[in-house]
Amino acid sequence: QKEVEQNSGPLSVPEGAIASLNCTYSDRVSQSFFWYRQYSGKSPELIMSIYSNGDKEDGRFTAQLNKASQYVSLLIRDSQPSDSATYLCAVKTGGSYIPTFGRGTSLIVHP
Amino acid sequence: EAQVTQNPRYLITVTGKKLTVTCSQNMNHEYMSWYRQDPGLGLRQIYYSMNVEVTDKGDVPEGYKVSRKEKRNFPLILESPSPNQTSLYFCASSPMNTGELFFGEGSRLTVL
Repeated sequence: QKEVEQNSGPLSVPEGAIASLNCTYSDRVSQSFFWYRQYSGKSPELIMSIYSNGDKEDGRFTAQLNKASQYVSLLIRDSQPSDSATYLCAVKTGGSYIPTFGRGTSLIVHP
Repeated sequence: EAQVTQNPRYLITVTGKKLTVTCSQNMNHEYMSWYRQDPGLGLRQIYYSMNVEVTDKGDVPEGYKVSRKEKRNFPLILESPSPNQTSLYFCASSPMNTGELFFGEGSRLTVL
C-alpha cells in the first residue's frame, strides 16, 4: 500500500515568515512529486512538480526532494495571508498513471 | 481557455434517484479521473480512465459507474445514490503519465 503522509496542521505562521510543509512517502520507487494548493471550497491547483533530488525554485516557492530519506517539502518564503490554504502532496511511481495524495496540511498565515 | 468543466456544481437529491455528474475537458488529455473529498479523509480516487473505452477502479469505486466513450468526456454515474455518497466530487485530467492533474471546480452532492 503506497502511503503519503502529511501533518494535518494547522501550521500557523506570521506574515513574511517562511512556511515549511513536509511530506513523507513509503514507496521507494516513486519518481514524480507534486504540490497542490487548495483554497477552502475550491479545487486543487498544481503549484510545483519535482522529479530529481535537490531544490526547485519558482518565485516564492521552493520544493525540496530527498529520495534517500523519502521526503519532499515545500517552502513558501515571505508568506502572505493569501497563501492560507490546504497544501496537498502527491507522489507517483514511474509505472503508474495514478498519483497518490496525502491528506493535506492546512496553512494559516496571520497578519 | 484550457479547462475541466463539471456539472452540476451543486445538487441535492434523494436516496435511490439515479444521477449523472458530467465532466468534460478541452485539453485533449488521455487520462481522466474522479475523486471524492471528505473532511479528514482527503482526496480518494473513485475511477480513472487512461483513454477512450479504458476505465479502471480506484480506491472507492463501490456505488459508482463511469464511461469513456469520447476522449473529452468522463461522466460519473450514481445508479442508486445513498447518503454516504454525500461528498464533494472532483474530476481531473492530465496528459498521459505526467501526474500533473488539472481539476474541475467540483460538484457538491447531497443525498437525503
